[in-house]
Amino acid sequence: ILNVEQSPQSLHVQEGDSTNFTCSFPSSNFYALHWYRWETAKSPEALFVMTLNGDEKKKGRISATLNTKEGYSYLYIKGSQPEDSATYLCAFPRNGGSQGNLIFGKGTKLSVKP
Amino acid sequence: NAGVTQTPKFRVLKTGQSMTLLCAQDMNHEYMYWYRQDPGMGLRLIHYSVGEGTTAKGEVPDGYNVSRLKKQNFLLGLESAAPSQTSVYFCASSYPKGGADTEAFFGQGTRLTVV
Repeated sequence: ILNVEQSPQSLHVQEGDSTNFTCSFPSSNFYALHWYRWETAKSPEALFVMTLNGDEKKKGRISATLNTKEGYSYLYIKGSQPEDSATYLCAFPRNGGSQGNLIFGKGTKLSVKP
Repeated sequence: NAGVTQTPKFRVLKTGQSMTLLCAQDMNHEYMYWYRQDPGMGLRLIHYSVGEGTTAKGEVPDGYNVSRLKKQNFLLGLESAAPSQTSVYFCASSYPKGGADTEAFFGQGTRLTVV
């Protein structure tokens, strides 16, 4: 059974703090690792899709790294802002990745206080 | 662009009633999915479709049926609603190839309460 674990479950930081959280996934038969950002009352939106070991992707103040051999990915937010408050989901393709459907972690809920 | 649109946004059902949730996408995506989101759980896949006229079971398919008669639409049906189906339902679609490296695009969700 494939399992995707995220930690911590929730995080409270002050504006300007930098933070990071973890996604753990099966290291065998790796195809891709997805990160989504989900704001309350909105739809989840893709941040990154990572496919290569050692890959690092960046979007503004948010970046992610990938270690496929040990089965983890880190998401970093530099200088957190209140608008970064959201739940961050990671997801791993099931069925060998051929059909795109994803197993999601439970998410890390980030709250940034002004 | 509309992207992925779900209707309705909210619904309250009585136990035993039936209803259909509609998902429509205007991005010409081949693959479409229905997920449910419950407190303390990740998004769980109910059913999915890899193309018009095809459907397949996901992780939690019991109590639901789906149809994909048109490429742009994916319908989720509850024949006899139960309180355990109280949840937020999300539809998603992905690119034509639908491989592991293609991101999913989500609708805004349908909050369903079964009393």
